[in-house]
Amino acid sequence: DAGVIQSPRHEVTEMGQEVTLRCKPISGHDYLFWYRQTMMRGLELLIYFNNNVPIDDSGMPEDRFSAKMPNASFSTLKIQPSEPRDSAVYFCASRITGEQFFGPGTRLTVL
Amino acid sequence: ELKVEQNPLFLSMQEGKNYTIYCNYSTTSDRLYWYRQDPGKSLESLFVLLSNGAVKQEGRLMASLDTKARLSTLHITAAVHDLSATYFCAVNSGGGADGLTFGKGTHLIIQP
Repeated sequence: DAGVIQSPRHEVTEMGQEVTLRCKPISGHDYLFWYRQTMMRGLELLIYFNNNVPIDDSGMPEDRFSAKMPNASFSTLKIQPSEPRDSAVYFCASRITGEQFFGPGTRLTVL
Repeated sequence: ELKVEQNPLFLSMQEGKNYTIYCNYSTTSDRLYWYRQDPGKSLESLFVLLSNGAVKQEGRLMASLDTKARLSTLHITAAVHDLSATYFCAVNSGGGADGLTFGKGTHLIIQP
C-alpha cells in the first residue's frame, strides 16, 4: 500500500485566496483525521470522519475552514479566504484500529 | 479538557547513555501513542499502549503505561545518533472520541 497520500506537498498562496488540500487515506481505513502543526500551537486535531461522516469538527478554527469526505478514498480541507496565520503543515491521517498513519503533510504558506 | 504534558521538551545526550521521556495526561484515556518525527517529515508511529501496565519494546526504545498515574514513559537505552528526532506522545480522550491530543514533543539530540 502507498500509505496516506496528500496533495499538494507545498502550497504558497496570497492572503484572501482559496486553498484546497487533498487526502487519500489507506484503502480499507474507515477513520480519517485532519491535523495542523505549527511551532506555536504544536499538533492540533481539526476534524475527523468515520465512514465518511464528520464526527468531531470542534477543532476547526473558524468558519473559513471546511472539510468534506465525499467517498471512502478522498477528503478535502478547504480554507476560504486564507490568512497568513493559517500558514502551517497540515497532516491527514487514517486508521482502522490502533495507531493512526500519517501522510507526508502539506506545507501551506499564506503571504 | 484533555491536556498532555511531556518533559523534558529538549534533551541533548551522548551516545551510549540511557534516558527517559515522560508523558502525563490529565483525564482518563483508553489509548496512548508514541510517535517520532524527523525534521521536515511526517509522524511515524512507534508504539500504541492499550492497558495499564502495558510495556512495548522496539530496539533501543521501550514504552510503558501507568493508567492510574496517567503517566507513560519512553525509555532510551544506549542511545545512538540515529535516534535523534522529536518524540511525541498522544492520547485519545476515550468514550468514543478518536482524535488525538498531542504533547508538545521532546526534541532529542544525541551527540556522538
